[in-house]
Amino acid sequence: KAGVTQTPRYLIKTRGQQVTLSCSPISGHRSVSWYQQTPGQGLQFLFEYFSETQRNKGNFPGRFSGRQFSNSRSEMNVSTLELGDSALYLCASSFSAGGGDTQYFGPGTRLTVL
Amino acid sequence: DQQVKQNSPSLSVQEGRISILNCDYTNSMFDYFLWYKKYPAEGPTFLISISSIKDKNEDGRFTVFLNKSAKHLSLHIVPSQPGDSAVYFCAASAEGGSEKLVFGKGTKLTVNP
Repeated sequence: KAGVTQTPRYLIKTRGQQVTLSCSPISGHRSVSWYQQTPGQGLQFLFEYFSETQRNKGNFPGRFSGRQFSNSRSEMNVSTLELGDSALYLCASSFSAGGGDTQYFGPGTRLTVL
Repeated sequence: DQQVKQNSPSLSVQEGRISILNCDYTNSMFDYFLWYKKYPAEGPTFLISISSIKDKNEDGRFTVFLNKSAKHLSLHIVPSQPGDSAVYFCAASAEGGSEKLVFGKGTKLTVNP
């Protein structure tokens, strides 16, 4: 079974621009979550989508948004990029929503903001 | 305030010996715990999990122990191999929690040949 895929793998943007990242979950998984990993903060939860609905959102500004499509694929958008948005963005999928379910991660998208 | 803490940023172990990675949590609502292994420039790889109704779960060389009263879990790797060298993250979740998974900041394990 194919794993979680993320595109693109690397991205370089400048301050003020916006960016869209894409994630395809494992086949049959309906929950997709996004995380930001930075050296100082570790992995921080951004949001979770299940059946095209955002279930939960972490403590991030409104510049971070996402959506999920009917085939469970998800996109994450960051508008008005800031230098501090440079990070590894990880997508993870699981079968069910909420806690108590193992998440499987993609390879991540490395975003660099100049 | 960190809900999941991995107090040792790094650990060095000799090949063949036991590696013990520790994790503490503060939220008593957490009921599912996982360990992930991460290599640079890759996503975390799921290793092993444990539900709060158990105190031990074993999978090959990996064993996770959960002490609910102490809000502490540990991952034992026996025997350790050089290929185990990576960053290990402890994560926790709560049914109905506001975050899907809450992660510790990781422990970098180095297994020396």
